[in-house]
Formats: sequence, structure tokens, C-alpha cells
Amino acid sequence: EVQLVQSGAEVKKPGESLKISCKGSGYNFSNNWIGWLRQMPGKGLEWMGTIYPGDSDTRYSPSFQGHVTISADKSISTAYLQWRSLKASDTAMYYCARGVTVIDYWGQGTLVTVSS
Amino acid sequence: QSALTQPASVSGSPGQSITISCTGTSSDVGGYDFVSWYQHHPGNAPKLMIYEVTNRPSGVSNRFSGSKSGNTASLTISGLQAEDEADYYCSSYTTNSALGVFGGGTKLTVL
Repeated sequence: EVQLVQSGAEVKKPGESLKISCKGSGYNFSNNWIGWLRQMPGKGLEWMGTIYPGDSDTRYSPSFQGHVTISADKSISTAYLQWRSLKASDTAMYYCARGVTVIDYWGQGTLVTVSS
Repeated sequence: QSALTQPASVSGSPGQSITISCTGTSSDVGGYDFVSWYQHHPGNAPKLMIYEVTNRPSGVSNRFSGSKSGNTASLTISGLQAEDEADYYCSSYTTNSALGVFGGGTKLTVL
């Protein structure tokens, strides 16, 4: 059974760093694009970026380029989304997801709250 | 503003049929048969309901169907049930991005 299991909710202060994770199981992690999407409170889904763990080819949405870093460790089937300096506007639910044109599996979401 | 346009809300009574539209351009919806639909119950992970315009993944009820005409794709839900109440998002391949584009989402209320 394919599963994407994300790390737990986080509460951070503005300016702090954060790295959240998404562990895949039940499929060949290296050979499938895995991406991150944001859902801000009361808003829709937005692509942030995606990575191909097999060769670490990474694509970012222009809206997020330079503000987040997407990485993956194929040896432990885990993808990451990282911020160096959080802002209050980063408060959102973040989903990892397998695929790009078609997302066939989603993680359960990680709620990130940034507040002073 | 989302790249694809969906109505903010639709509603229907149990047993009725509803259709949710998703309008794009020739660079996305109109140019390619790579439209997907996702059901999202808040608090849960989104779920793929339709892919490549008309295809249903294994396990998805045949009450859900997809279609496309020109730059507009549609999701039809027949025989509405209370459990269908959720947010629905369309997405499409686009020539303007290496990533897909989403619609703004449609809240379905089952009256």
C-alpha cells in the first residue's frame, strides 16, 4: 500500500528555521516525482515545487523560489521542505504529494503556525 | 488569482446531479487532456477522483465523471450523497509551468 506520512504540526516564531518531512512507503520512491503544496487558511491549493529523488532534479514555482528548499534522501525514502527564515505569512497546511500532472497519493498534511 | 476558474460554491439535494466547471485556456485545459479532479474533506488528505479528463482511479464511485469541451472541463456527480459534501479542485498540465495549475476550489454543499 502506497503511503506518504508527514511529520507533525509545528509552531514557530518569525525568523526561525524549519524542516518538515514526508516519508514514502509501498512504492519505488526514487522513480516518482514528489512535491509540496500549500494551503493557506481558507484558501485553495498551490504548487510549491517538486523533486525527482532518483537524480534530485528539482522544480520550483516562481512564487516560492528562493524562499523554500525542497530536498530528498532516497536512502530513507523521505522528502523535505525547508525554510531558513519563517514569516507569519507561511502559516498554512502543507501537503506532500506523489506525481505532478496527476497526483495519485497525498500525505496527511503538516500544519505550520508562525506567530510571535 | 488561480490560473483555472471554478465556481466558489455549488449545492444540490441528495439524489440530484451537480456539475462543477473548470475554465482555463488553450495553454492548459483546452490544449491537453491532462485535467484532474480532487476531493478534499477539510482535515483529511485530498483524494484523486478523476484523471486525464475522464478516467476514474480504482475505488472511486462511478457517480463521479469528467468531461471537457474547449477550454472548460467539468466534474459531474450524480446521485448526490451527504458524504460528497467537500471541496473540489481541478488541476491541469500547463505549458506555462513545470508544475500543474489548480483551480481555486469549489465548495459542494449537499442540502
